[in-house]
Amino acid sequence: QKEVEQNSGPLSVPEGAIASLNCTYSDRVSQSFFWYRQYSGKSPELIMSIYSNGDKEDGRFTAQLNKASQYVSLLIRDSQPSDSATYLCAVNKFSNDYKLSFGAGTTVTVRA
Amino acid sequence: EPEVTQTPSHQVTQMGQEVILRCVPISNHLYFYWYRQILGQKVEFLVSFYNNEISEKSEIFDDQFSVERPDGSNFTLKIRSTKLEDSAMYFCASSDTGQGPNYGYTFGSGTRLTVV
Repeated sequence: QKEVEQNSGPLSVPEGAIASLNCTYSDRVSQSFFWYRQYSGKSPELIMSIYSNGDKEDGRFTAQLNKASQYVSLLIRDSQPSDSATYLCAVNKFSNDYKLSFGAGTTVTVRA
Repeated sequence: EPEVTQTPSHQVTQMGQEVILRCVPISNHLYFYWYRQILGQKVEFLVSFYNNEISEKSEIFDDQFSVERPDGSNFTLKIRSTKLEDSAMYFCASSDTGQGPNYGYTFGSGTRLTVV
């Protein structure tokens, strides 16, 4: 079983719509969770972090965490063409460990 | 905003040669990392470094790899005898102990290593 799993996509949404991205993780002891955006040929860019169950909002982005279901999601509201990228889910297992385990990413295309 | 700087942006080397990838972490950060991403694949952890020693390394980080902080600003990854399968983007990252692991960290722009 993969440590962090994401649907590879591509996920195609029209401009202005909501893009919904999902991520599941295998290790129940995982502590904190991150969403990174990666444009082709570029480095990952941190969008959001979340470590408590529930929702966390930052601008057009909302992260949702459900530790009982081992599930974390990202909603992108009012999607823009500039949001077209690969979104990486990353998981940190331990409170004293800074290593991240990444999923393979979901490619999002926002149609103008 | 502070940045993690990596050089070179692209390195081409012959199989069997040694390469050194360089990183300048954010100045007040104390944790440093190397990750790699083979084209079309996921980002993979290589090594973390704190207090002048390796704190964790992955199975990928075998004897051909080494890291060093030669001075107060640089953090390097050395690959001793490159193989074709070492071709990848290598990302450096750093984090501030004060932020803790819940805050994520910033990646450099990466070095694309091509082994021919």
